[in-house]
Amino acid sequence: TQLLEQSPQFLSIQEGENLTVYCNSSSVFSSLQWYRQEPGEGPVLLVTVVTGGEVKKLKRLTFQFGDARKDSSLHITAAQPGDTGLYLCAGGTYKYIFGTGTRLKVLA
Amino acid sequence: EAGVAQSPRYKIIEKRQSVAFWCNPISGHATLYWYQQILGQGPKLLIQFQNNGVVDDSQLPKDRFSAERLKGVDSTLKIQPAKLEDSAVYLCASSLAGPMNTEAFFGQGTRLTVV
Repeated sequence: TQLLEQSPQFLSIQEGENLTVYCNSSSVFSSLQWYRQEPGEGPVLLVTVVTGGEVKKLKRLTFQFGDARKDSSLHITAAQPGDTGLYLCAGGTYKYIFGTGTRLKVLA
Repeated sequence: EAGVAQSPRYKIIEKRQSVAFWCNPISGHATLYWYQQILGQGPKLLIQFQNNGVVDDSQLPKDRFSAERLKGVDSTLKIQPAKLEDSAVYLCASSLAGPMNTEAFFGQGTRLTVV
């Protein structure tokens, strides 16, 4: 059974700080997606990583897929209050599952 | 392009009552998902359809939950009878194909409160 564990579960930081969110599994994934969810809304896709070792950048967000395709990370540089939200990794070969989620709060 | 439509947005029921949620996926999307999301947690997959066939329903509490996808398009999720622990947001999503290398598009969800 494929499972995705995220850490940390909660993160509260000051504006301007950097942070990293991790998504780990014991299973290999053909790809992983990262989503961001705001209150009252469904998750919205940020990025898809496909190749082991791949690094993708989206403005201040940097996503990395582990070499073995079992883990991924999301790094935010100089966090802003607008980055506040629930960050989710997701993937699956047979069924599409989500990680446990990381709730980020960026204080002004 | 119209997104995933869900209704109702909110529902409050008493325990032991029944409730139904409706989802209209993006046109042409073969795969439809129903997730249960507890506040602050990641969505839990309840059931996944490929066209009108069930791909996975291993985490669907089948003694009280049921779901169908008629003609491979719209879908309904029913709970009967509801329990207090069913209070959650129920998200419907769809994707063009299966889970591999996919992007799932989500509706706004239905927030269910069981009192």
